[in-house]
Amino acid sequence: EVQLVESGGGVVRPGGSLRLSCAASGFTFDDYGMSWVRQAPGKGLEWVSSINWNGGSTGYADSVKGRFTISRDNAKNSLYLEMNSLRAEDTAFYYCARYLVTPGAFDIWGQGTMVTVSS
Amino acid sequence: SYVLTQPPSVSVAPGQTARITCGGNNIGSKSVHWYQQKPGQAPMLVVYDDSDRPSGIPERFSGSNSGNTATLTISRVEAGDEADYYCQVWDSSSDHVEVFGPGTKVTVL
Repeated sequence: EVQLVESGGGVVRPGGSLRLSCAASGFTFDDYGMSWVRQAPGKGLEWVSSINWNGGSTGYADSVKGRFTISRDNAKNSLYLEMNSLRAEDTAFYYCARYLVTPGAFDIWGQGTMVTVSS
Repeated sequence: SYVLTQPPSVSVAPGQTARITCGGNNIGSKSVHWYQQKPGQAPMLVVYDDSDRPSGIPERFSGSNSGNTATLTISRVEAGDEADYYCQVWDSSSDHVEVFGPGTKVTVL
């Protein structure tokens, strides 16, 4: 079964850091580009960051540029999001998503992990 | 940055047709993808590249894209189609970013 499972969410104080992980299974991970998409409570979807199949190309939303870093370890079938200088407005569910074709549609999504930034 | 617009809500009776629009400047030149999200669930791709359906998505879901408007059409609407629907494009004009529309809540009367 094709599956993405996120982990690493939690409660963190403003200015703090957190590292999210996404474990992929059921497909050849290094055949696909990957992304992180977030959704604040009761709000819409917001693209956060993307990475191509080998990590050689990355992109970030302006709202996180310079604070978040996307990476991947193809040997471990894992995607990561390092989040620094967290703000209250970063509070959201963070989804890991697989590109059908990079760039393009996201055909597989994880169930998400919640990040709460609060003092 | 590229901006997508969607109506906040669409209401439709069972068995009728729901049309959800996604507006953007010359969006017809881009590939549009559509997602369905039910409460407490992750989004699910229902249409990609304007009008293609992933395997397992009913033929009742179809898409079109021309000019400044893309449209997701749900034919013979069922109660289970009640959800939020989001459109998405890739904006190649500004540092390769993905853009989502604000979402449309479809209510089945």
